[in-house]
Amino acid sequence: AQKVTQAQTEISVVEKEDVTLDCVYETRDTTYYLFWYKQPPSGELVFLIRRNSFDEQNEISGRYSWNFQKSTSSFNFTITASQVVDSAVYFCALSVVMNTGFQKLVFGTGTRLLVSP
Amino acid sequence: SQTIHQWPATLVQPVGSPLSLECTVEGTSNPNLYWYRQAAGRGLQLLFYSVGIGQISSEVPQNLSASRPQDRQFILSSKKLLLSDSGFYLCAWSVTVGYEQYFGPGTRLTVT
Repeated sequence: AQKVTQAQTEISVVEKEDVTLDCVYETRDTTYYLFWYKQPPSGELVFLIRRNSFDEQNEISGRYSWNFQKSTSSFNFTITASQVVDSAVYFCALSVVMNTGFQKLVFGTGTRLLVSP
Repeated sequence: SQTIHQWPATLVQPVGSPLSLECTVEGTSNPNLYWYRQAAGRGLQLLFYSVGIGQISSEVPQNLSASRPQDRQFILSSKKLLLSDSGFYLCAWSVTVGYEQYFGPGTRLTVT
């Protein structure tokens, strides 16, 4: 089965703490993409990053960083010095090639991050 | 820049009533379009996707249907709503397959 597992249902931290959100995936595709999205209380999903399966370089964007490891099928997301505005549900997603040749995104169940002042 | 609109933002409908949710994209041509449903506390489930006008593919057989009458317009419909149709409906677009999808603000549907 091609799926994404986000084992952490909810994480609570205090502002300025670092936090890592885990994402483990399963796929039979040799080429695939991985994504992270943020869903704040307003409900709209905000795209954060896309990673190609051939590119295992870690990426940093401000306080956000992503660690992609094909050997463990993981694509973890770390927020450094968390802030209250980081409170949201975060989704990891995997592109899956369908029988039609079309690619769809399969989402994990999300991790709710609560950052308290 | 591209923007995606959805309406209405919230909707309360009785069981058995019809449904029409609309999604439009601005600033791009021939996008791939998607409808997702998110049940409370759950992940996103792909309902329909479209690669062009009049081309609709269904992921999960159910009480809903979709149409794409114009290049940048995607409509989700139902003839008779069920209680199980309640949820948060999100429309999304992408430039092409494999690329990131951009989501609209969503419609929160409650079927009573």
